[in-house]
Amino acid sequence: GQQLNQSPQSMFIQEGEDVSMNCTSSSIFNTWLWYKQDPGEGPVLLIALYKAGELTSNGRLTAQFGITRKDSFLNISASIPSDVGIYFCAGYSFREAQKLVFGQGTRLTINP
Amino acid sequence: DAGVIQSPRHEVTEMGQEVTLRCKPISGHNSLFWYRQTMMRGLELLIYFNNNVPIDDSGMPEDRFSAKMPNASFSTLKIQPSEPRDSAVYFCASSLPGGKYRGYTFGSGTRLTVV
Repeated sequence: GQQLNQSPQSMFIQEGEDVSMNCTSSSIFNTWLWYKQDPGEGPVLLIALYKAGELTSNGRLTAQFGITRKDSFLNISASIPSDVGIYFCAGYSFREAQKLVFGQGTRLTINP
Repeated sequence: DAGVIQSPRHEVTEMGQEVTLRCKPISGHNSLFWYRQTMMRGLELLIYFNNNVPIDDSGMPEDRFSAKMPNASFSTLKIQPSEPRDSAVYFCASSLPGGKYRGYTFGSGTRLTVV
């Protein structure tokens, strides 16, 4: 099946630092989504992107839908302790429009 | 809205026993998905339903796994017999019908431990 390559797999940063992670695919996606999973909980939708080149913010989070439609990135500015968790990219492709494909996740750890 | 409700939150069982996981999707959502999450394999889609009908069960690992959706407000995932390698967190998710893709809403998961 289709796969999304998400990087980095893990990040260890200091509180207050900015964070950047990205996701790439070998095929074109028509929707990109970013989720966050807190420990012991299910993933929660953070940002949804629907157009190539679209840049969307949600508080300190900013995500972009790549021009090629094969990638997306998520930035977190001025990280705080509650940003800890696993971040997943996900997308719908034209080929399998009903199935959401997930990346492997980026585990974010923050040192206070 | 209460969100997607899964039960139990934790399940510990002995190898060979039958395990049943339960899910109540969000009212009005017509698609339901079962995922399994492990450190090694991440999030794996096991099966999904549209309007209570199983559409794709290609992710179900073996015949020991079965899923049902008898009505729009309830689904079960059953493992019989369970094995230690089935230990994982199992998530149920639901989504709205058609239209713009807004992703899935996940439940809090069931952490299954088979000893």
